[in-house]
Amino acid sequence: EAQVTQNPRYLITVTGKKLTVTCSQNMNHEYMSWYRQDPGLGLRQIYYSMNVEVTDKGDVPEGYKVSRKEKRNFPLILESPSPNQTSLYFCASKNSGPYEQYFGPGTRLTVT
Amino acid sequence: AQSVTQLDSQVPVFEEAPVELRCNYSSSVSVYLFWYVQYPNQGLQLLLKYLSGSTLVESINGFEAEFNKSQTSFHLRKPSVHISDTAEYFCAVTWMDSSYKLIFGSGTRLLVRP
Repeated sequence: EAQVTQNPRYLITVTGKKLTVTCSQNMNHEYMSWYRQDPGLGLRQIYYSMNVEVTDKGDVPEGYKVSRKEKRNFPLILESPSPNQTSLYFCASKNSGPYEQYFGPGTRLTVT
Repeated sequence: AQSVTQLDSQVPVFEEAPVELRCNYSSSVSVYLFWYVQYPNQGLQLLLKYLSGSTLVESINGFEAEFNKSQTSFHLRKPSVHISDTAEYFCAVTWMDSSYKLIFGSGTRLLVRP
């Protein structure tokens, strides 16, 4: 089944404790992206990657890191999480071009 | 700056009534347009899209949207809603000059009542 997977689905952590949210897709898509969803703000792009070893900042990159060492994986790293990073995070992928993005199931992160 | 506006944060309707969810975007430069739906506690699923061709596009579950270039709008409509349509709906736009960036509206929560 074609899909985007994220782990973990739920995470509660404390301020400053480094964490990684994994994202993997099995559709051989070149493009991958991370979004955060907050009430009343819709989805905002954090980082995106056009292909392996090519990443760039989205609209809200502060406090996040990413890497794209393999085509299928695009982990999101929070080196020192803070409470304002409490949010619902989505990973997405698509083929190159103006095509629809396929979304993972989301990761709900709470930072206390 | 490019932006997408969904003016209605919540739209309550009765079952079998028609509904329109509004979406406007900021620029008339060539665009690609999408509507995504998010059911409770789930990720986003593509509902329908406009890339080119006919300005009226339809989904498999009875929704339709019309691309109106002069009004920079892509409103979503359904002539008769069901309880199962209760969800949050996001309009999203990619501009041709934007290197694939997808910008979302703030979402409209459709609440269908019996």
